[in-house]
Amino acid sequence: SQKIEQNSEALNIQEGKTATLTCNYTNYSPAYLQWYRQDPGRGPVFLLLIRENEKEKRKERLKVTFDTTLKQSLFHITASQPADSATYLCALEVVLGDKIIFGKGTRLHILP
Amino acid sequence: DVKVTQSSRYLVKRTGEKVFLECVQDMDHENMFWYRQDPGLGLRLIYFSYDVKMKEKGDIPEGYSVSREKKERFSLILESASTNQTSMYLCASSGLAANSYNEQFFGPGTRLTVL
Repeated sequence: SQKIEQNSEALNIQEGKTATLTCNYTNYSPAYLQWYRQDPGRGPVFLLLIRENEKEKRKERLKVTFDTTLKQSLFHITASQPADSATYLCALEVVLGDKIIFGKGTRLHILP
Repeated sequence: DVKVTQSSRYLVKRTGEKVFLECVQDMDHENMFWYRQDPGLGLRLIYFSYDVKMKEKGDIPEGYSVSREKKERFSLILESASTNQTSMYLCASSGLAANSYNEQFFGPGTRLTVL
């Protein structure tokens, strides 16, 4: 069956360090992979998208990698800050314009 | 900025009541979605719509229906609310304008409690 897996356990990272979150998938061949941030009691907010033919994408302190051989995406936050504490969701889009399939998310805590 | 609004942030209903959740987006997006989010289960797609008067079932449509009479508005209907429909309901929209991705823009959510 098709699956998207993210670390179900919360991730605690010391302020200033790099936080790395993992998204693994099976039985999909996504054209795009997206990352969202969700704060408690709010809807997710889009952060970054990476295409299947891109290895890496950056936006300010965020970096996303996409390895279609390993079927894995890594999401990095460098110089992490307590304000980065949130749940981060990865999402796959198999066909452009089609529905997006979300992972369950990983809760990130940046400790001051 | 894209704005997606939902009719209520919090709603309390009784078992058996008919419940309407309204969602409006102001960016002329073609696509609209309804999800529910529960602890440990993540976001689950209930219904989606690619155009006015069109609807498609998502992963968990049972007990729900939808209506899209206008492009900007997508309504979720619980025909006869049950306690297992207590959840956070999130509406989203997306569009494929030039130079855009297919990212989804979410509303603030409606926390529905069915007693």
